[in-house]
Order: sequence, then C-alpha cells, then structure tokens
Amino acid sequence: DTGVSQDPRHKITKRGQNVTFRCDPISEHNRLYWYRQTLGQGPEFLTYFQNEAQLEKSRLLSDRFSAERPKGSFSTLEIQRTEQGDSAMYLCASTDGNQPQHFGDGTRLSIL
Amino acid sequence: GENVEQHPSTLSVQEGDSAVIKCTYSDSASNYFPWYKQELGKRPQLIIDIRSNVGEKKDQRIAVTLNKTAKHFSLHITETQPEDSAVYFCAAGDSWGKLQFGAGTQVVVTP
Repeated sequence: DTGVSQDPRHKITKRGQNVTFRCDPISEHNRLYWYRQTLGQGPEFLTYFQNEAQLEKSRLLSDRFSAERPKGSFSTLEIQRTEQGDSAMYLCASTDGNQPQHFGDGTRLSIL
Repeated sequence: GENVEQHPSTLSVQEGDSAVIKCTYSDSASNYFPWYKQELGKRPQLIIDIRSNVGEKKDQRIAVTLNKTAKHFSLHITETQPEDSAVYFCAAGDSWGKLQFGAGTQVVVTP
C-alpha cells in the first residue's frame, strides 16, 4: 500500500510534554495538509504545504504548534507544552493538485 | 466565513431505502466539493466529488448534486445496504485544496 502513512498511530503523553508526529504523503504528491479531528466532529484544517513551502496556517494553530516539510516530502507536526484540549486525532492528507485528497490513518493524541 | 453546515446529524434508514444528506457553504471561492465516508476508527475515504462547473455526478448507487447559486450540495445514496452505515462528511474546497468540512452525518442502515 503506497497511501499516506502517519506515525505513530497513537500517542499518550502527560500535559506539558512536547510531541511530534510524522506524515509520509503519497509519492510525488506536492501538496500536504494537516487536519485535526475531535470526537463527533469533522476534520478541521490546520495548515498545508506546497512542496516545502508552508502556505497557510489556520488560526486554530497556536504558537505551540509548528509544522515543517523540509525536503518537500515527509512532514512533521510538533506540539509544544501539550494541553488537555490538544487531545484529538491528527490527520494528514496529500494530493498532486489534480486528484482528491487522500488521508492517512491519523495519529490519535491523548493528553493525561 | 468559511462555514459548511451539514444536515441531518443522524439518519436512520431501512435497508433498500434512499438516504439524502444536505450541505450548505458560505465561501464563494469554493469550487470543489468532496464527500468522505468514515467508519469508526478509520481514515476518511473519498466516495465521490464534484467540481463547480458540474451540476450533478453519479457513481453507481451514489450521486451528488450541486446548486452553486444557492450554495448547497447534496449526497444521495440509493438502495442502501448495511455496509453503508458510517459517518459521512461533506466538504468545500478552494483552488488550493484547503477543505472545510461539515460536522458529519451518522448514517445507520437497519436490515
């Protein structure tokens, strides 16, 4: 399966800790998106990249959040000083601009 | 704003009946409207999409209609089957592909 892959699948951490998630998009997809999904809600847009350039960040993305895509391939999303409200499923999606977005399985973050 | 509203939040249908989910959007720049199906604990899976230059699209038992003037679009599932039970999300996207999702519809198909 050469779909979007995310790592880890689950992350449990104590409040105040830093966490980092990784997303590997479908090969040759130049656009990569991060979304956050809480229980019973639709995914909420966080940020996206065109190759290595981060083009937009949602106001949902506080300064504790940072995302990178240094070589235009995989991307990382880091959350510093985690809070209870950060508990959610973090989804990554990719596209080549002409195709629909394909989602990964997500990283489920639980803050103790 | 960029709100997408989706109704109903839950939908229970008898197997074989049709299901209809409706969404409205507010951003005039939206030009792409995908629908995703998400089963519990799994990733959202695209089931059908439509672009703003098309009014209707059909794929077997699934169809989507778009009224760009009224800014609403709908998903129609005919001859529902138990495996259609899931949460369905509509979304509206701009030229950069940024998607704004509705809150979802829990569809339950009872045998």
